[in-house]
Amino acid sequence: AQKVTQAQTEISVVEKEDVTLDCVYETRDTTYYLFWYKQPPSGELVFLIRRNSFDEQNEISGRYSWNFQKSTSSFNFTITASQVVDSAVYFCALSEAGYSGAGSYQLTFGKGTKLSVIP
Amino acid sequence: DTGVSQDPRHKITKRGQNVTFRCDPISEHNRLYWYRQTLGQGPEFLTYFQNEAQLEKSRLLSDRFSAERPKGSFSTLEIQRTEQGDSAMYLCASSLISGSSYNEQFFGPGTRLTVL
Repeated sequence: AQKVTQAQTEISVVEKEDVTLDCVYETRDTTYYLFWYKQPPSGELVFLIRRNSFDEQNEISGRYSWNFQKSTSSFNFTITASQVVDSAVYFCALSEAGYSGAGSYQLTFGKGTKLSVIP
Repeated sequence: DTGVSQDPRHKITKRGQNVTFRCDPISEHNRLYWYRQTLGQGPEFLTYFQNEAQLEKSRLLSDRFSAERPKGSFSTLEIQRTEQGDSAMYLCASSLISGSSYNEQFFGPGTRLTVL
């Protein structure tokens, strides 16, 4: 069974501070995908990043960076110099890798971390 | 707008009534997913379609729930004899699966159901 744990329920930071959102996952699959989605107050889930289990390179995109460590089953997300517009609920998710298009690729989500950036 | 759309955005109904939601995926996407999200929780998988075929249903999908995707384009999710526990946000997502190539699921804005 797959499981995603986001231990931080809520985080508050002051604007321009850096913040790291933690994600720990469990899966029996040897290949899988990991994701981060953002859910602003409007409610629509916005895709941020996907990582394959065989690619442990960290990734940076503007103020966002992701640290994937297979040894600790973690996929953490850091926002540098946070802004008020970053305030949202952030979800980490996991899906099987499937084979040649087979498999549902259904997403298993964590409970989310609500980030509040205070001006 | 070429994103995933859902209708209605909000639905308030009385316990025991039937409701139907619609999802229009991104046009070239062959996969369509339904998820349910309750307050303070992450979305939970309900069911998915590959073209018009419904290939998997979660145990969360009781007999009162039925989903269709008749022509492999839009999908409907119907809940019969609604219960207060059905109150949630119902999210639709679509993606393109081609051979071994994987593409992300893109989500619609959701339909928020309130059962009184």
